[in-house]
Amino acid sequence: SQTIHQWPATLVQPVGSPLSLECTVEGTSNPNLYWYRQAAGRGLQLLFYSVGIGQISSEVPQNLSASRPQDRQFILSSKKLLLSDSGFYLCAWSIPSGRARDTQYFGPGTRLTVL
Amino acid sequence: ILNVEQSPQSLHVQEGDSTNFTCSFPSSNFYALHWYRWETAKSPEALFVMTLNGDEKKKGRISATLNTKEGYSYLYIKGSQPEDSATYLCAFEFRGSTLGRLYFGRGTQLTVWP
Repeated sequence: SQTIHQWPATLVQPVGSPLSLECTVEGTSNPNLYWYRQAAGRGLQLLFYSVGIGQISSEVPQNLSASRPQDRQFILSSKKLLLSDSGFYLCAWSIPSGRARDTQYFGPGTRLTVL
Repeated sequence: ILNVEQSPQSLHVQEGDSTNFTCSFPSSNFYALHWYRWETAKSPEALFVMTLNGDEKKKGRISATLNTKEGYSYLYIKGSQPEDSATYLCAFEFRGSTLGRLYFGRGTQLTVWP
């Protein structure tokens, strides 16, 4: 069966510090991978999307970046965190059917607080 | 910007009550509507993917209907139980978007009191 891992679970970082959040998926090959953020009082917002190694689509311009160095590994990074980066970060995966309507499966998330 | 609205924002009911809430989405270029349940300290869990106007899906005591012409979906919970307490999210997928791109509402937070 497929599982998805995210770490760390919680993180408190000062403004201006770097960030690296990691997500790995087990039990599937060539998944679509997603990074979402939920800021306080807001809905889940898609940040990045990947259909394969090295292929990253950015949905929202910001000071974050994503990379996919391996098929089942997705990393969210920042060189300098802003206060507005605080939120709950979720990684998700789906099996691409080629016709969308694919269910997305979410990881346990990372709570990031930027002080 | 695609607006997906959910109402009410929060709901408190007694155990045994039936309840329902709404997801509104753009009626043009509809492709799919997803419902998720997000319990505290857990990952969002997929409930339904609905694609056809008039669709009705059921999973235990939870059911959902879809009206793509007017742009809304209802989620019903019959005989609510404390374990149903969660945030219920809907997500809209439109035809022509990046494959798999979901636009989420803010969710309805349901609390069921014993």
